[in-house]
Amino acid sequence: NAGVMQNPRHLVRRRGQEARLRCSPMKGHSHVYWYRQLPEEGLKFMVYLQKENIIDESGMPKERFSAEFPKEGPSILRIQQVVRGDSAAYFCASSRGGNSPLHFGNGTRLTVT
Amino acid sequence: RKEVEQDPGPFNVPEGATVAFNCTYSNSASQSFFWYRQDCRKEPKLLMSVYSSGNEDGRFTAQLNRASQYISLLIRDSKLSDSATYLCVVRGGGSNYKLTFGKGTLLTVNP
Repeated sequence: NAGVMQNPRHLVRRRGQEARLRCSPMKGHSHVYWYRQLPEEGLKFMVYLQKENIIDESGMPKERFSAEFPKEGPSILRIQQVVRGDSAAYFCASSRGGNSPLHFGNGTRLTVT
Repeated sequence: RKEVEQDPGPFNVPEGATVAFNCTYSNSASQSFFWYRQDCRKEPKLLMSVYSSGNEDGRFTAQLNRASQYISLLIRDSKLSDSATYLCVVRGGGSNYKLTFGKGTLLTVNP
């Protein structure tokens, strides 16, 4: 009974490169959330998706960041032209929807050099 | 007022102590409430949901006061393994299913 799977665990990118973070939700979960956590900071909501739809992207930076959750395959968080300030832990979570709680993956730690 | 505000901490307590965490939220239409714990450099893990009538799970008791927009978590007989950051989490009202996290309160239980 696999939980939320994120990969890669660690990702190093040079400034200006692209970062792709992948998330496979728990079996039976069709709702995916992405959160970002900076060192010594709390979790900040980025985006909430259901299959093929972005429901709430109010936490996403207006430029360079995009997310998708296709009909088949994992959810992808894409960061174009990364900058040092993008270095953070990115957590994906999934749920069954409604008022059910979120279950988190173990995160992708992005380091921009 | 922040959407979700917690005691800043940190808390340092001896084993066996009782410790209480407090949290307030700003959106009166919020529908559901949770406590998560996060160990250093790990993912947040659900500790318990919080129900209007209050609920208990072993040494952990959660309370919700909708009128005061206040949530609490009580840990009795604390163990070394309880050392973690405790996160208060609130879901928005209506069709807003976004969960908002407090900054967390760090607890260290000392031998």
